[in-house]
Parts: sequence; C-alpha cells; structure tokens
Amino acid sequence: QKEVEQNSGPLSVPEGAIASLNCTYSDRVSQSFFWYRQYSGKSPELIMSIYSNGDKEDGRFTAQLNKASQYVSLLIRDSQPSDSATYLCALRLGTGNQFYFGTGTSLTVIP
Amino acid sequence: ETGVTQTPRHLVMGMTNKKSLKCEQHLGHNAMYWYKQSAKKPLELMFVYNFKEQTENNSVPSRFSPECPNSSHLFLHLHTLQPEDSALYLCASSPFTRADNSPLHFGNGTRLTVT
Repeated sequence: QKEVEQNSGPLSVPEGAIASLNCTYSDRVSQSFFWYRQYSGKSPELIMSIYSNGDKEDGRFTAQLNKASQYVSLLIRDSQPSDSATYLCALRLGTGNQFYFGTGTSLTVIP
Repeated sequence: ETGVTQTPRHLVMGMTNKKSLKCEQHLGHNAMYWYKQSAKKPLELMFVYNFKEQTENNSVPSRFSPECPNSSHLFLHLHTLQPEDSALYLCASSPFTRADNSPLHFGNGTRLTVT
C-alpha cells in the first residue's frame, strides 16, 4: 500500500481561527488528491479535491498541492465547532482505480 | 440519502458464523470498493471491482469473499472470522475512467463485531 502520512493530532484550534491540516505522500505517480471529513461513527464525506499544483478554494476551505514536495494541505478558515471531526487525506494512484488514505487528523474546534 | 447504501448497519457474529454484507449504489458508477477501517489505522483497501470484474485483491484473507453480480451491487461474504476482523467495513463507488478524477463516494458502513 502506498504511503500517505498525516499527523494524527489531535489538533485543537479556537473557534474562528484557521485550522491547517497537512499530508505528505511517497508515490510520485499520484495525480489526484482528496480531503474527506469523517464524523465519529459516520462514513467519510468529500470536502475537497485537487489535481493541479497551487491552491483551490471552496468557501471556508482551501486545498494546497505541491507535487514537487509531495505535499497536500487543507486550510479551514473561520473554524466552527461543527468542523470538529477527523480529516482524511487520500490519493488516487496514477490513472488507476486505487485510492489510498492516511490515518487521519483529529480536529477539535473549541467554542 | 448517500447514493451508496450498505446493510446491515451493525452486525455481531461469532467466529463460526457465516454472514454477508451488502452494498448497493444508485449513482450509475462502474467501480465499487470494499474498505476496512480499524482504529488508529488508515482505511485499508480490500477489493476493487470495475464493471463487475475484480481488479484488486490486496492480500485479503480468504475468510473474506467478495461478489459483484453487477455494477450496482457488491457483497462481502464472511466466514470463520477472527476477533481482529472487528472493524467498520465501508463500501464505496466511483465513476472511474482513466481521464476522470472523480472521488470515491462512501456508504454509511457496517460496524462488524466478531465475538
């Protein structure tokens, strides 16, 4: 299994702050990257996807990809208590149909 | 409504039992997946089917047996499981083409406990 590394946390930020979640990967063939949010006892749900180097913004979420450094991150602006969850970094290996996941980072937003 | 439906939501079984997990997707996707999620571990890819043909089997023990009768349905047959097989089993689907970057869509999962 290809390696996807995430800091497991827990990461705690106060409400309204920026939460920064990071992910590194080892396979240079990887082309598609995804961030999923998983609430306790629930299944993962897609937050962001990114395929090209640079930033991609969607509302309060910004994904950043640097393929040269094999690094992808997720920024959450104006963090809300409802953002408290585990965030999973995932990649699609090349153009195949295999998706690999990190262990996830647990985020707690403190009111 | 997630578009990917898994049953049952919870399952408790003994080590000598035989049971099956069911997954159905209503999204018109052609690829379906089984993942295992254990505490403190990454999601483990178990099986992948593309157009109902198995394309991946990541060294999964034979006590797990997948079945994909068509592109909309996926089963995971379980027999003589071990307590360490207790986990959340997630089904997912994706459109999958080589030119497509579509993500996985997950079902709600089956929480399996082996006693």
